[in-house]
Amino acid sequence: EAQVTQNPRYLITVTGKKLTVTCSQNMNHEYMSWYRQDPGLGLRQIYYSMNVEVTDKGDVPEGYKVSRKEKRNFPLILESPSPNQTSLYFCASKLLAGGPGTNEQFFGPGTRLTVL
Amino acid sequence: QKEVEQNSGPLSVPEGAIASLNCTYSDRGSQSFFWYRQYSGKSPELIMFIYSNGDKEDGRFTAQLNKASQYVSLLIRDSQPSDSATYLCAVSRNTGNQFYFGTGTSLTVIP
Repeated sequence: EAQVTQNPRYLITVTGKKLTVTCSQNMNHEYMSWYRQDPGLGLRQIYYSMNVEVTDKGDVPEGYKVSRKEKRNFPLILESPSPNQTSLYFCASKLLAGGPGTNEQFFGPGTRLTVL
Repeated sequence: QKEVEQNSGPLSVPEGAIASLNCTYSDRGSQSFFWYRQYSGKSPELIMFIYSNGDKEDGRFTAQLNKASQYVSLLIRDSQPSDSATYLCAVSRNTGNQFYFGTGTSLTVIP
């Protein structure tokens, strides 16, 4: 089944304790992206990657790191989490756009992170 | 100014009616426009995309784009209770790699 998976689905942690949220897709998509979703603010893009070893900042990259060592995986790293990073996180993937957007982003199931 | 603005609602329509959802965007360089549906506790799923001025129809859904007015809308005909969800408008610029989402409009279809 074509899908984007995220782990863990739920995580409660404390301020300053490094964590990684994994994202994996089995659709051979070049493009992967991370979003956070907060009430009243909607979905905001954190980072995206157009291919292996190519990553770019989205709208809200502060406090996050990503890496793209393999095409299928795109982990999100919080080196020193803070309470304002409490949010619902989504990973997404798609084929790389070659023109004005016919590409559908496929979203993972989400990771609900709470930082105490 | 937000990149994408939507009326948060909630919008309530009776079953069988037409639901009209609206979205405006601020960057004239935006080229691709998307409507996603998100059920409570679930991830967004794409309903429609549009990138040319005018209307695009897919079943009960019609997306409308007016680039001069920087306005995108989604019409849902013959609304069903299963359409009750939050609808997210998204735009991307000419690179097609950065996406901006609105805060979503909550729709309730009343049986």
